[in-house]
Amino acid sequence: DARVTQTPRHKVTEMGQEVTMRCQPILGHNTVFWYRQTMMQGLELLAYFRNRAPLDDSGMPKDRFSAEMPDATLATLKIQPSEPRDSAVYFCASGPLWVGANEQFFGPGTRLTVL
Amino acid sequence: AQSVTQLGSHVSVSEGALVLLRCNYSSSVPPYLFWYVQYPNQGLQLLLKYTSAATLVKGINGFEAEFKKSETSFHLTKPSAHMSDAAEYFCAVSDGGNQFYFGTGTSLTVIP
Repeated sequence: DARVTQTPRHKVTEMGQEVTMRCQPILGHNTVFWYRQTMMQGLELLAYFRNRAPLDDSGMPKDRFSAEMPDATLATLKIQPSEPRDSAVYFCASGPLWVGANEQFFGPGTRLTVL
Repeated sequence: AQSVTQLGSHVSVSEGALVLLRCNYSSSVPPYLFWYVQYPNQGLQLLLKYTSAATLVKGINGFEAEFKKSETSFHLTKPSAHMSDAAEYFCAVSDGGNQFYFGTGTSLTVIP
């Protein structure tokens, strides 16, 4: 049963440290999304990729966040340096090429705590 | 541009009672509409979707939603709530491209 996987599931780090979150999209999916979920802001779109190319990262703080897809089986989200306000659950989702009419498949999330 | 509004961030119902979660959308083109559910400590999963076929859409776990263009609504219903329905529910809209717009979510509590 195909699933989106995310690692790590939980991460506790200290302010100023680099954090890397990884996502393996479902094989064959061409679109990958990164979301952040907090109690205050709800679900926010950070970035999305189509065929490994970034299409929109306007939701991402550019000075500290970066998102890449080094290959079709791996998407990464990095925060450097991390800050306490980055504490949230980060979700990766993948979908077929034209995902608008189709389902996004969400991973289980990475719960990040920045002390 | 598209957007969704979910009325009521928290809804409580008694077990066995009707569940009604409200979603209104804004779209300049015929929309694709979705309901997702999120159980504690899990990612979102699709409950159902509307893609311009039948206006009454049936989903998993006994949920259904009706697309009403005149009211720009896509409310989620279930005739009889079960304890296992307690979760966060998100409505989402798309214009068919690669942008999804999620609502702020409605937390459903089921009272035994």
